[in-house]
Amino acid sequence: AQSVTQPDIHITVSEGASLELRCNYSYGATPYLFWYVQSPGQGLQLLLKYFSGDTLVQGIKGFEAEFKRSQSSFNLRKPSVHWSDAAEYFCAVGQYGNKLVFGAGTILRVKS
Amino acid sequence: DTAVSQTPKYLVTQMGNDKSIKCEQNLGHDTMYWYKQDSKKFLKIMFSYNNKELIINETVPNRFSPKSPDKAHLNLHINSLELGDSAVYFCASSQVPGNEQYFGPGTRLTVT
Repeated sequence: AQSVTQPDIHITVSEGASLELRCNYSYGATPYLFWYVQSPGQGLQLLLKYFSGDTLVQGIKGFEAEFKRSQSSFNLRKPSVHWSDAAEYFCAVGQYGNKLVFGAGTILRVKS
Repeated sequence: DTAVSQTPKYLVTQMGNDKSIKCEQNLGHDTMYWYKQDSKKFLKIMFSYNNKELIINETVPNRFSPKSPDKAHLNLHINSLELGDSAVYFCASSQVPGNEQYFGPGTRLTVT
């Protein structure tokens, strides 16, 4: 069965520090991969996506993610976190014609 | 220009009532979805329509009934509301199933 694991429920980083949020998936074929961000009381906003090609993808707000097929991972990174990045982050996996499966989310806290 | 909109944003009602949530997208997408996000922020897909045809119908009580009058609209009707229905309901759309989804702002349903 398809599944997405985000091992970290909460992460706290200092403002200006680097960030890496982990995402591992289980999928029968080469999946489409996504990261979304949800600020409190808001809907989900797409940060970036991977369909094929270059395994390092750039997204909005200075985020990037790297697809590693051998590790079934799609980790999200940002070199320098801003206080406004505090939110919940969701990894999702899908395939053309199928539904998306979402991870349980990682709450990011940013301390000044 | 709101891409995916939902009404109402908040809905407070009593057990046993019937209520509807409306969703509209102006992205020209063919596929629309309803998700339920529970108190632990877990996102669970409920339904999906592609070109007004139901393509995903997860294990959801039959008190929930989606209706898609056209490709731009997907409404959710809930009969005989129960306490456990309290959650945030998100509408989303994508060009095709499996591609990136764009989410509405959510409807917070509280059943008392």
